[in-house]
Parts: sequence; C-alpha cells; structure tokens
Amino acid sequence: DAKTTQPPSMDCAEGRAANLPCNHSTISGNEYVYWYRQIHSQGPQYIIHGLKNNETNEMASLIITEDRKSSTLILPHATLRDTAVYYCIVRAGTASKLTFGTGTRLQVTL
Amino acid sequence: GAVVSQHPSRVICKSGTSVKIECRSLDFQATTMFWYRQFPKKSLMLMATSNEGSKATYEQGVEKDKFLINHASLTLSTLTVTSAHPEDSSFYICSAPGGAYEQYFGPGTRLTVT
Repeated sequence: DAKTTQPPSMDCAEGRAANLPCNHSTISGNEYVYWYRQIHSQGPQYIIHGLKNNETNEMASLIITEDRKSSTLILPHATLRDTAVYYCIVRAGTASKLTFGTGTRLQVTL
Repeated sequence: GAVVSQHPSRVICKSGTSVKIECRSLDFQATTMFWYRQFPKKSLMLMATSNEGSKATYEQGVEKDKFLINHASLTLSTLTVTSAHPEDSSFYICSAPGGAYEQYFGPGTRLTVT
C-alpha cells in the first residue's frame, strides 16, 4: 500500500470548516483513498473513500487532486465531537487489511 | 450500518495468566477479521489476519504462540494473549470487512497486566 503523509496536528474553531490534507505521491492507479477517524479510546470509524472523483457524504467531502498525489478531507461545519485523530489510508479497493500511519490529531475548539 | 462488538471492553489480569478477547460481527458474516494493537498516543498496528476455517496470518514480529487467534465461525474471532506480561498492556481492536470497501471496527478492549 502507498505511504501517506499527514500533518501531526491541526486546530479548528467550532462551526468552521476543517480541511485535513494528505499526501500520497506514490499512489497506484488501482488504489483508493480512504479516511477513517478515531475518537479517543474508541475503534476507528469509516468516513469516506474515493478513487479519483470528489466524493461527498453526510459526514464529509473528499477532494482528490487531478494527479491523485494528494487529497483533502473537508468537515464542513466542525463540532467539538469531531475532535479525533484522522487517518488517511491508500489501498486497493478490496476488503483487505488497512495500514495506519500516524494520522492528524484534529482539535476542535470553542 | 454493520456493527462489530468486542468483549470484554476492559480487563485487568495478573502477570503470567492468559486473557481471551472476543470479536463478533453482529449482523453480517466475516470470513476474515483483523486484529490490531494500539499503545498510548500511537497509531494502530496490525497484528494478524484471522481467517475462518484456516490458520491466522501474523504480521512480522508478532509471536503466534503468544497471541493465539481462533476464527471459530463466520461471526466470531478470538484473540488469546497467553502468559501475559505488563508489556502486553495495550488497546486491542478488531475489524471486519463489511462490504467491498468498508471496514468496521470494534470498540476495542483495554488490557492491563499487573
């Protein structure tokens, strides 16, 4: 699986959009970009995934650059409950194992 | 959505004893499940892949005789930490593929070995 690079931490004011970047410059053509998050002392939670088109669901939006070497997860209106570690993972789109990097610790503040 | 449960959520055991952790897929079948461990302020590290009806596949550096995995049915995988020591204290998390793309994670089990 391709390696990803994320900033270790970010802050965001409640109600504002949180934009979490991820670099995956060695991504292969058949690899998807996945985002998971882990709230303290809980199991990770799936957020969204995409191949090359931008994706949106009830939780977030995923913007993937045209060359697919980077992506941004957008939480449009962050709340305190969005405080978590966010993991960007790239892998082939089958139900195979996930390799977690260090992630970005997002702190949403009042 | 699909749910994965773990039992127990917390366990404290004495050094030298064995502890069993269960992982269940509640409304779907899983021929494969994954076991991770996580130390404080660290990322999840994959330990092994649990396969229903066959032996587990362990990641490099994980002792298969210490971390026994049994995938007894299509909805249950167990991880047994044998002869536990304080350095085995950790957060253990399982996951199961719930479809073509998604993985569903259990809530985790916090093991403390005294």
